[in-house]
Amino acid sequence: GNSVTQMEGPVTLSEEAFLTINCTYTATGYPSLFWYVQYPGEGLQLLLKATKADDKGSNKGFEATYRKETTSFHLEKGSVQVSDSAVYFCAPTLTGKLIFGQGTTLQVKP
Amino acid sequence: GAGVSQSPRYKVAKRGQDVALRCDPISGHVSLFWYQQALGQGPEFLTYFQNEAQLDKSGLPSDRFFAERPEGSVSTLKIQRTQQEDSAVYLCASSSQRRGYEQYFGPGTRLTVT
Repeated sequence: GNSVTQMEGPVTLSEEAFLTINCTYTATGYPSLFWYVQYPGEGLQLLLKATKADDKGSNKGFEATYRKETTSFHLEKGSVQVSDSAVYFCAPTLTGKLIFGQGTTLQVKP
Repeated sequence: GAGVSQSPRYKVAKRGQDVALRCDPISGHVSLFWYQQALGQGPEFLTYFQNEAQLDKSGLPSDRFFAERPEGSVSTLKIQRTQQEDSAVYLCASSSQRRGYEQYFGPGTRLTVT
């Protein structure tokens, strides 16, 4: 069946460090791919998306590229801030229902 | 209009009680989803509506779980004879067909079964 694997957290970085959170998926087709973020005490928010191979989604300095050949959608940011501390979820979908990874907790220290 | 809203935000139920959780989607969104999020885990799909039609209920964990959206807007997730393993955050999301599969989530209802 369809599934997604995220790198385990927590990930702890210093402010201004480079961030990568790995995400790979298995799917019986070409899914749309999403990253959602959950800030402490808040609901899930859509961070970025890509709908076809080689698309790059970007938002708030975060980027992720749809890599069909490696079935990956890794999340990157060049310089993290304390305010980026949150739980990040990768979620592909073929039919509309999102398949979430287990989430990766990011903690950014000043 | 405003975002997705859910009520109540918190619910404590004694084992065996029935509960009803409400979701108000973004106005005009035809698609509505329910997810269950256990502590420390990612959300898991429960069921999906397009307008009033329930097109997928494959994620409902047992026949104690029932969802409806009778007029294609507000939805209710009902859990009968609650069990401790039902304790979780229940998330509702809605989406517009014009925006593909982008889903916008409500704040969730945290259900604790004692």
